[in-house]
Amino acid sequence: GEDVEQSLFLSVREGDSSVINCTYTDSSSTYLYWYKQEPGAGLQLLTYIFSNMDMKQDQRLTVLLNKKDKHLSLRIADTQTGDSAIYFCAESILGDDKIIFGKGTRLHILP
Amino acid sequence: ETGVTQTPRHLVMGMTNKKSLKCEQHLGHNAMYWYKQSAKKPLELMFVYSLEERVENNSVPSRFSPECPNSSHLFLHLHTLQPEDSALYLCASSQERLSRGEQFFGPGTRLTVL
Repeated sequence: GEDVEQSLFLSVREGDSSVINCTYTDSSSTYLYWYKQEPGAGLQLLTYIFSNMDMKQDQRLTVLLNKKDKHLSLRIADTQTGDSAIYFCAESILGDDKIIFGKGTRLHILP
Repeated sequence: ETGVTQTPRHLVMGMTNKKSLKCEQHLGHNAMYWYKQSAKKPLELMFVYSLEERVENNSVPSRFSPECPNSSHLFLHLHTLQPEDSALYLCASSQERLSRGEQFFGPGTRLTVL
């Protein structure tokens, strides 16, 4: 079946790197995404990676994909207070409208 | 206004009420979506519209009735809801269906059913 799992909570000190992990089950995934949801706001697409890629870097964000283990991670370098949010991992399936979301990881920034 | 807007932002209704949620996108997209976000559960896709035609309904109860009068507007009509329907309802749009998942989300309507 389709399932996306991620830990629910992560605390990181300001200035450190945050690593948010995700696992998915469907091997026919085409794209994998990271969305950010700030309090009172909708989901904002941060970055995505095509399933035949291993890594994608965009400024402070690095996405790593291990297709063999069906593991996706998001690394945020030099974490700032503005990074405090819920981060959702998601996958889309070839030929399907659906995007399957995880439950989200709440990132808490410690001073 | 830019992006995807939703009104109202908050709604409290009784189980016998009828209300509607509104979504508007100013991005020129052709596909629009309704999602339900409940606490501690993954986002659930409810409805997909492409060029104003409904293309997917993920077994949503009939007490939720979507309407898409044009490619910029999407409504969700609510009637005889249950307390378990309390959630954040998110609208999203994308250039086309199946378009790399670049869906742009609105801020959501926080619905409470008493």
